[in-house]
Amino acid sequence: DVKVTQSSRYLVKRTGEKVFLECVQDMDHENMFWYRQDPGLGLRLIYFSYDVKMKEKGDIPEGYSVSREKKERFSLILESASTNQTSMYLCASSSPQTSDNQPQHFGDGTRLSIL
Amino acid sequence: AQSVTQPDIHITVSEGASLELRCNYSYGATPYLFWYVQSPGQGLQLLLKYFSGDTLVQGIKGFEAEFKRSQSSFNLRKPSVHWSDAAEYFCVLLYNFNKFYFGSGTKLNVKP
Repeated sequence: DVKVTQSSRYLVKRTGEKVFLECVQDMDHENMFWYRQDPGLGLRLIYFSYDVKMKEKGDIPEGYSVSREKKERFSLILESASTNQTSMYLCASSSPQTSDNQPQHFGDGTRLSIL
Repeated sequence: AQSVTQPDIHITVSEGASLELRCNYSYGATPYLFWYVQSPGQGLQLLLKYFSGDTLVQGIKGFEAEFKRSQSSFNLRKPSVHWSDAAEYFCVLLYNFNKFYFGSGTKLNVKP
């Protein structure tokens, strides 16, 4: 089974701090994603990476950056955390093989609170 | 542009009753569609997927979904709901092979 592991389930940080959320997958997937989930808004894509050192902005990239130095690891960085970034953050991975389009596999999420 | 609409934000059904969750999509090409379930405090679990072929798709936990191209719909159904089905359900569209568009979700409450 694919496993996507997010380093923290719950995290509390202060306004202005630099925050790192880590995600690791064990299936050698090319694609990795970071979403935030807010009530009534579903999941919104922050950033997407389709290969090591490659990244693409999603729908709401402002205030975030990402890092993918190794294929299995995808980090989300809040450069200067603000209270409106309090949310549930979900990491996912998938394989882009067009012969059998693969669904995404999700981690359990990190509930981040910015005080 | 692509979109996914789940018109029901909350649904309450009695245990043992049938369930149908609605999903409408907008996409100019052949859609690849998924349903995911999220239990409280958990990540998302894949219930079923549609790529092509049979328009009635069977999934895990007794769920099924029917793809109707003429109605741009991919509704999720279950003949008899169990209390453990209480969760949030997301309809998802895959486009450009790599990108996923999520509906806003439907929260299911199950009455004893």
